[in-house]
Amino acid sequence: QVKLVESGGGVVQPGGSLRLSCAASGFIFSSYGMHWVRQAPGKGLEWVAFIRSDGSDTYYEDSVKGRFTISRDNSKNTLYLQMDSLRAEDTAVFYCVKDLKVAASQPYYFHYWGQGTQVTVSS
Amino acid sequence: QSALTQPPSASGSPGQSVTISCTGSSSDIGAYDYVSWYQHHPGKAPKLVIYDVSRRPSGVPNHFSAYKSGNTASLTVSGLQAEDEADYYCSSYAGSNHVVFGGGTKLTVL
Repeated sequence: QVKLVESGGGVVQPGGSLRLSCAASGFIFSSYGMHWVRQAPGKGLEWVAFIRSDGSDTYYEDSVKGRFTISRDNSKNTLYLQMDSLRAEDTAVFYCVKDLKVAASQPYYFHYWGQGTQVTVSS
Repeated sequence: QSALTQPPSASGSPGQSVTISCTGSSSDIGAYDYVSWYQHHPGKAPKLVIYDVSRRPSGVPNHFSAYKSGNTASLTVSGLQAEDEADYYCSSYAGSNHVVFGGGTKLTVL
């Protein structure tokens, strides 16, 4: 079965950096686009970033563009999110999510989700 | 891209039907048929229950149904069961390689 396990969350000061990882198994990782979605405390879900199955294109939510970088290593079945210049408003649970459709060219649907990793930005 | 608008709460008794609305604009729901719905039990991973406006992924029970009209999408949960109590989020493609979510609706089974 599909399994997505996030890691790398923690507490970081404003302006700091964190790198999240997501280990994927149970499906052909290199065939699917992947997303990061977050949920701030007491708030709803927010799409953060998408990467195509072959890593050829990446797309970002406006508030993270230029600060976050999504990437993947298909040889290791692993998705990453490099987060720089972190702000208090980035505090959230970050979910690694598999897209629904094979080789999706754009971010449409969020099929399988990991359990999430907590990121707290605080001094 | 602005978030989609959902009512903060909805409720119904076991066996009843409840409909949750999701209002967007001509730039998202009104422009594309890439509307989806997610069920989220707090502390657990969210679950896709509807995609392509009204299609159910394999394994999702048929008491979930959905449609859209103009800039508004709707999710109906029929034959309410205790396990349907959860937060529900709508989502739509919004063009320019962006996706927007609704603020979420807390469904309570009375």
